Amino acid sequence: GNSVTQMEGPVTLSEEAFLTINCTYTATGYPSLFWYVQYPGEGLQLLLKATKADDKGSNKGFEATYRKETTSFHLEKGSVQVSDSAVYFCALIAGGTSYGKLTFGQGTILTVHP
Amino acid sequence: DTAVSQTPKYLVTQMGNDKSIKCEQNLGHDTMYWYKQDSKKFLKIMFSYNNKELIINETVPNRFSPKSPDKAHLNLHINSLELGDSAVYFCASSPFSGGETDTQYFGPGTRLTVL
Repeated sequence: GNSVTQMEGPVTLSEEAFLTINCTYTATGYPSLFWYVQYPGEGLQLLLKATKADDKGSNKGFEATYRKETTSFHLEKGSVQVSDSAVYFCALIAGGTSYGKLTFGQGTILTVHP
Repeated sequence: DTAVSQTPKYLVTQMGNDKSIKCEQNLGHDTMYWYKQDSKKFLKIMFSYNNKELIINETVPNRFSPKSPDKAHLNLHINSLELGDSAVYFCASSPFSGGETDTQYFGPGTRLTVL
């Protein structure tokens, strides 16, 4: 079946540090890959996505590249801010007849200190 | 301006009761979803509807019954609530038929607590 594995959290960083959150996946066909972010007390927001191999998704200084050869979609940001503190979810929708069934990783809690 | 809205935001109830959560989207989207987030933040899809037709039903107990009166609304009714139903329930919608490139937009969530 389809699955997503994220690095264990929580991740604690100082402001302006470099961020990497690892994400690997297993899926049938050619999935689309997503990063969603959940700020405290809020719903999920799409952060970025990539729909085919070698695509790079980017938004708000965050980037992730769809690597088919390593089945990975790691999230990076060069300089984090306190306001980036949130839970980050890697997710996929498998190709074919998945009808929008998002499969999520377990989430990674990020805390950024001033 | 709210894109995907849910009511109520919080719901506290006793075991054995029946309750409903409502979801509405004003984005003109064709597909709507219900997800459950457990206490460890793990998210799992429960149902999806496309133009009022059930598309995904993910091995959810039949105490959970979704209803879509029109394509802008997807409600979730839960009978005989159990302690294990305590979770945050998220509604989402997407523009088209839910294919792999179809971005989903989430509501703010409903925190259900069963005592």
